[in-house]
Parts: sequence; structure tokens; C-alpha cells
Amino acid sequence: EAQVTQNPRYLITVTGKKLTVTCSQNMNHEYMSWYRQDPGLGLRQIYYSMNVEVTDKGDVPEGYKVSRKEKRNFPLILESPSPNQTSLYFCASSPPGGEQFFGPGTRLTVL
Amino acid sequence: ILNVEQSPQSLHVQEGDSTNFTCSFPSSNFYALHWYRWETAKSPEALFVMTLNGDEKKKGRISATLNTKEGYSYLYIKGSQPEDSATYLCAFPSTSGTYKYIFGTGTRLKVLA
Repeated sequence: EAQVTQNPRYLITVTGKKLTVTCSQNMNHEYMSWYRQDPGLGLRQIYYSMNVEVTDKGDVPEGYKVSRKEKRNFPLILESPSPNQTSLYFCASSPPGGEQFFGPGTRLTVL
Repeated sequence: ILNVEQSPQSLHVQEGDSTNFTCSFPSSNFYALHWYRWETAKSPEALFVMTLNGDEKKKGRISATLNTKEGYSYLYIKGSQPEDSATYLCAFPSTSGTYKYIFGTGTRLKVLA
């Protein structure tokens, strides 16, 4: 089954404790992206990747890091999480310019 | 800063009614427009990717049109059903070749049985 998976689905953590949210897709898509969704603000792009070893900032990259060492994986790293990073996070993948396939979401709470 | 605007923000219709809503985007440097449907507690799912002025696309009772010269797209739902209740998002890649996407805040549709 073609899909985008994210782990964990839910996470409660404390300020400053490094965490990684994994994202993996099995559709051989070149393009992958991370979004956060906050009430009233819609989906905002954090980082995206056009291919292996090619990443670039979206609209809200501060406080996040990403890497793209393999085509299928695009982890999101929060080196020192803060409460304002409490949000619902989505990973997505697509062929270049094509419709995006979204993962199930990760609900993160930073205390 | 590029902006994508959707209207209305929310909409209640009766089952069987037809409805439409709008996505407005910058008409200069147009590359593509995406429509997504997002049901509560699920992930967004793609409806259409539109690239050409005058494009019309259809999927079942849902269709979309595109006017790149004036910078808007309409999404139509014919004979709305309760299962059409969702938030409908449009997205606009802000720069050619990079796919840095700007999403609208969506139109929340509630279809009353």
C-alpha cells in the first residue's frame, strides 16, 4: 500500500529535550515536505526537500532541522523544543509538482 | 509575501444543495494550484492539481475551474452530501522549480442532513 508514515503519532515532551519525528514514504517520490498546522493559521511549510541531500527552508524553519540522506526518509529534528512548537505536524511526499500525499500527523506538546 | 486567500471561511449547506467556494492567489508568476480535502481527524487528501488557464477538472460531484489571469479558482460541489463535510484547502507553489508551498486557511464545509 502506497503510504507516508510518521512516528510517533503523539508526543508530550519538555522544553529543551531534543526529539526527532520520523517520516518515511514508499512511493519513490523525489519531493518531501514538513508542515505544521495551528488553529487559525492553516498549514505552514517548515522545510522541504527536492531530492536526496537537497533541502530548503519553508516559511517557518526556525527551531527545526531536517536531513535527507535517503530518498524514502525525511526526519524532522527539534534540537531544543520550546512550547511555541506545540502543534500538529504533517509530513508529505509527491512527485515534483504533483499532488502531495500526507502522513497521518504527529501531535506534539512541549511543556 | 505571497498570500493565498480562501472564502468563505466556513459554510453550512443543506443536503442536496450545490455550493462553491473561492481560492484567490497572486496572478503573476503562476505555476500551479492544488486543491485538497481535509476531513476532521484525518490527513489532507489531494483533489486536483491545476496548471493551465481555463482548466476544468472533475472528480465525481466535485469540480474545479482555474483563472490564472485574474488569480482565482472555484471549487464546486454538486448535490452536497454529509460525507462532503470537510475543510477544503488550496495551495500555491510560490516559486517555480522549488515547490515552496503556500496554503490557504481553508473553507470549512458542513453539510446538514
